Amino acid sequence: DIQMTQSPSSLSASVGDRVTITCRASQSISSYLNWYQQKPGKAPKLLIYAASSLQSGVPSRFSGSGSGTDFTLTISSLQPEDFATYYCQQSYSSFTFGPGTKVDIK
Amino acid sequence: QVQLVQSGAEVKKPGASVKVSCKASGYTFTSYDINWVRQATGQGLEWMGWMNPNSGNTGYAQKFQGRVTMTRNTSISTAYMELSSLRSEDTAVYYCARAEQYDSSGGAGFDFDYWGQGTLVTVSS
Repeated sequence: DIQMTQSPSSLSASVGDRVTITCRASQSISSYLNWYQQKPGKAPKLLIYAASSLQSGVPSRFSGSGSGTDFTLTISSLQPEDFATYYCQQSYSSFTFGPGTKVDIK
Repeated sequence: QVQLVQSGAEVKKPGASVKVSCKASGYTFTSYDINWVRQATGQGLEWMGWMNPNSGNTGYAQKFQGRVTMTRNTSISTAYMELSSLRSEDTAVYYCARAEQYDSSGGAGFDFDYWGQGTLVTVSS
């Protein structure tokens, strides 16, 4: 099974900050990597698919990069509505989610 | 618009089974796989398995093999997830999600583009 790790597990940031979250796969997954945002009490929301493709309707301040085993989600200028938990997910072999990164207010 | 609407919260005793439904609307039900994901309180997302509504084919995460069954009723565009031999550790919110296929790196990947609202299953004696 492919294992996913994320770092950091949590971070505190201010509105306007540039935020970067890293996701690492236990083996190469090419570009079969998705990112989701989840707010408390809500279902996850797809942000990025295929490592770097922005889902329709998602603000352009979100971007993704990487391939192989190392991936990054970047929020260029953090907005109040971006405080949430972010998960990566691989779809190379079945599906596995990362443990999540909680972004809260500094 | 695409919607996945799940059944309501359930309370079950250890050893019992639970069956959660997921009614799809706004798209052709048989054209997209349905996946099930669960989340214990304060924990991360755990993938349970997938079902192809057209063929009825399924694939389950090894952890749930033998305890989970995913089915569908195409006449009412509804998918079901049944989990048996419940234990306290199965207390969680269960989500259904539509899998969208995309082309990448010369192959095909999947993402979960629409999700149900979640169903809380509580296992308690």
